[in-house]
Amino acid sequence: NAGVTQTPKFRILKIGQSMTLQCTQDMNHNYMYWYRQDPGMGLKLIYYSVGAGITDKGEVPNGYNVSRSTTEDFPLRLELAAPSQTSVYFCASSYAGQDTYEQYFGPGTRLTVT
Amino acid sequence: SQELEQSPQSLIVQEGKNLTINCTSSKTLYGLYWYKQKYGEGLIFLMMLQKGGEEKSHEKITAKLDEKKQQSSLHITASQPSHAGIYLCGADNSGGYQKVTFGTGTKLQVIP
Repeated sequence: NAGVTQTPKFRILKIGQSMTLQCTQDMNHNYMYWYRQDPGMGLKLIYYSVGAGITDKGEVPNGYNVSRSTTEDFPLRLELAAPSQTSVYFCASSYAGQDTYEQYFGPGTRLTVT
Repeated sequence: SQELEQSPQSLIVQEGKNLTINCTSSKTLYGLYWYKQKYGEGLIFLMMLQKGGEEKSHEKITAKLDEKKQQSSLHITASQPSHAGIYLCGADNSGGYQKVTFGTGTKLQVIP
């Protein structure tokens, strides 16, 4: 299993540009998450999904959109990039079952908006 | 909203020494997670505690959750350079959706 994969690893955007961060998992997990991590800070939840076709906002959803058309994929869309969105973005997935709690994280996408 | 405070923010220890990292919640926890992050990489799950007074160990790392389920400690015995990284505690207060609120992390350096 590849686990959770994210593309791209690095990206530089100009203010106002758009982009999609890709996330794919091959573990048949039902739950998927997007977090952002600012320098020296913990992770903040942007959006999450409990299954295909179901998404919900996390702590910091403004400026982002998500979709979940398949179990495997959970892309994160930035429509009008702003410098405040400069961060490292992590995708994670987990299986919701009895006594299963571990979230599996991807390697992250480092995004700079200038 | 849930707030988690970790202390210390950073720690430098000599190889072989023991150390403790603390995580304090502003609310009672459904569950408390400990993750480790190597620099520039994603998070790796260490353990999860749910019951008041619970204690779990993985190799040389032991985590405890207090009886009131508002404070957890992570203890590393005989630290090694491989223990270096950022340790984050996370609180599950969603009661089922595993929506985790993370602390700001403790940066650990182990000097050989």
